[in-house]
Amino acid sequence: KAGVTQTPRYLIKTRGQQVTLSCSPISGHRSVSWYQQTPGQGLQFLFEYFSETQRNKGNFPGRFSGRQFSNSRSEMNVSTLELGDSALYLCASSLELSGANVLTFGAGSRLTVL
Amino acid sequence: SQQGEEDPQALSIQEGENATMNCSYKTSINNLQWYRQNSGRGLVHLILIRSNEREKHSGRLRVTLDTSKKSSSLLITASRAADTASYFCATWWGAQKLVFGQGTRLTINP
Repeated sequence: KAGVTQTPRYLIKTRGQQVTLSCSPISGHRSVSWYQQTPGQGLQFLFEYFSETQRNKGNFPGRFSGRQFSNSRSEMNVSTLELGDSALYLCASSLELSGANVLTFGAGSRLTVL
Repeated sequence: SQQGEEDPQALSIQEGENATMNCSYKTSINNLQWYRQNSGRGLVHLILIRSNEREKHSGRLRVTLDTSKKSSSLLITASRAADTASYFCATWWGAQKLVFGQGTRLTINP
């Protein structure tokens, strides 16, 4: 079966712009989690969606938002980009988010903010 | 921090040698997972060990878990160049999110 697909893979933006990243989970997976990865902070949890509802949110400013559609596809948006938002953004899906599941990750979207 | 700590941060060995990396965590767990990340790519799940297990094997991977010390180790035997990657341990924060350690960067030299 197809894996988790993230688009775009690479993008370059300038400060103040906004960006939207897309994630298509594995078919049948209803939970989608987003992570930001930077060399300094490592992997930081952004948020998780299940059945179009945000259930969990990490410690990020309101400039970071997301949503999930009825087909479980998810998007995240970052508004008013800052240089520090340059990172690899990873999406992961699972059947359900529980303490027993493993996550299947996409290849990531590499965002560079100039 | 909610995250675990991995040790060492970086490890460089010769092909064919064994590689051991360690992870310490802070809270009680139901299970602990290990993931691998090739440079700039997504993470790949390697192995999950439950809190009532002490050791688990998968191919050339051996994971141990010591819940009394809140620590785990990942051993890769007979390393290959393709094992060059970053390795992360991860634990669940409640049932809300999977939190990752800072990772060990493993380099296998030919």
